[in-house]
Amino acid sequence: NAGVTQTPKFQVLKTGQSMTLQCAQDMNHNSMYWYRQDPGMGLRLIYYSASEGTTDKGEVPNGYNVSRLNKREFSLRLESAAPSQTSVYFCASRVGPHEAAKLFFGSGTQLSVL
Amino acid sequence: AQKVTQAQTEISVVEKEDVTLDCVYETRDTTYYLFWYKQPPSGELVFLIRRNSFDEQNEISGRYSWNFQKSTSSFNFTITASQVVDSAVYFCALSWIQGSSNTGKLIFGQGTTLQVKP
Repeated sequence: NAGVTQTPKFQVLKTGQSMTLQCAQDMNHNSMYWYRQDPGMGLRLIYYSASEGTTDKGEVPNGYNVSRLNKREFSLRLESAAPSQTSVYFCASRVGPHEAAKLFFGSGTQLSVL
Repeated sequence: AQKVTQAQTEISVVEKEDVTLDCVYETRDTTYYLFWYKQPPSGELVFLIRRNSFDEQNEISGRYSWNFQKSTSSFNFTITASQVVDSAVYFCALSWIQGSSNTGKLIFGQGTTLQVKP
């Protein structure tokens, strides 16, 4: 039962470097999400993909790009990392965009930008 | 705009005390869902409960209970006879359909850190 798998688990970047966070789910879910978690800020939605082929901005999309590669995979890219992007990133998925569907989360990626 | 507020940043109780975590939400939609998630020290996020906007019945599951009141836009979570294992960050969340495009957003509150001391 893999569920939602995120890689890497830890990453340290220098300011200006780029990287892609990978996320894959094996539950045949239609919708996928990227959140960041910061102390005192809770979980904030960066981008989401309601279904394969669509992506939409969340609450804090600036500095990020996403790609819904196929139904299973949803990647998050930082083109030019900044210290303000130091955070824990969570990928999540759910059956569909319906408001009733609960989210299943990956184990998170701890990213530090120096 | 939709918003979820958890005003209590940190709560500390002694084991066996009852504790209530507050959640206040804002939305203009008539159809929406509210969720609670738990994040133990290990870091994973665990689903606890889901409640739709048309069902104001309170729910009890063991030592956990939830009180949903549309009149005050609140969805509070009570732990009875708290235990050390209840120590975690608890998040309240709101989900709704975004306009006519049927794309669903789900947003979280700031979280409440609960520490239960032995």
